Amino acid sequence: DTGVSQDPRHKITKRGQNVTFRCDPISEHNRLYWYRQTLGQGPEFLTYFQNEAQLEKSRLLSDRFSAERPKGSFSTLEIQRTEQGDSAMYLCASSSQGRNSPLHFGNGTRLTVT
Amino acid sequence: AQKITQTQPGMFVQEKEAVTLDCTYDTSDQSYGLFWYKQPSSGEMIFLIYQGSYDEQNATEGRYSLNFQKARKSANLVISASQLGDSAMYFCAMREDGGFKTIFGAGTRLFVKA
Repeated sequence: DTGVSQDPRHKITKRGQNVTFRCDPISEHNRLYWYRQTLGQGPEFLTYFQNEAQLEKSRLLSDRFSAERPKGSFSTLEIQRTEQGDSAMYLCASSSQGRNSPLHFGNGTRLTVT
Repeated sequence: AQKITQTQPGMFVQEKEAVTLDCTYDTSDQSYGLFWYKQPSSGEMIFLIYQGSYDEQNATEGRYSLNFQKARKSANLVISASQLGDSAMYFCAMREDGGFKTIFGAGTRLFVKA
């Protein structure tokens, strides 16, 4: 179990630029999630994949956000035309199926939009 | 709609004493799971303990136990014999068994004093 890995750990970008984050889940897990966490708050759900299918997107995920999980392995989250309000920690998590399966989180990508 | 409420933004506890972190939840489903996660200052989210809505016994994992009161819709985390390393943010979370989305509360920051 190598854990969930996310890249990069930190990203500083200027307003209006596009950014892309990558997540490699635990290999046996077919469920993959993206969450966003701002300072002092709990993680907010953004989107969910079961294998390669994106089954739900939060209303928080505007049309500037897109996520993919080709071939049901790694996932990418892209933010186009970044805004200062996008500054946050973006967390990826994976889990197996099963009612008692917890989320296994990566260390996150901290995005700062200047 | 699902909702998690953690009413204690911050808690202090003396080392070696026990502490209870409160969590109440709202759901219309009868079958769901409750989770607690720890987030140290380093940022990684660590799964601590799980309680299923149909589990008759309160869950325990080492120094962590979950005081589950289904009628009151509460799932409080009890940490016994607090250690300095327990200082962290603690999040209560819930997932309905028919769904896949885990929602989180706003968290409680625990400070353990020497």
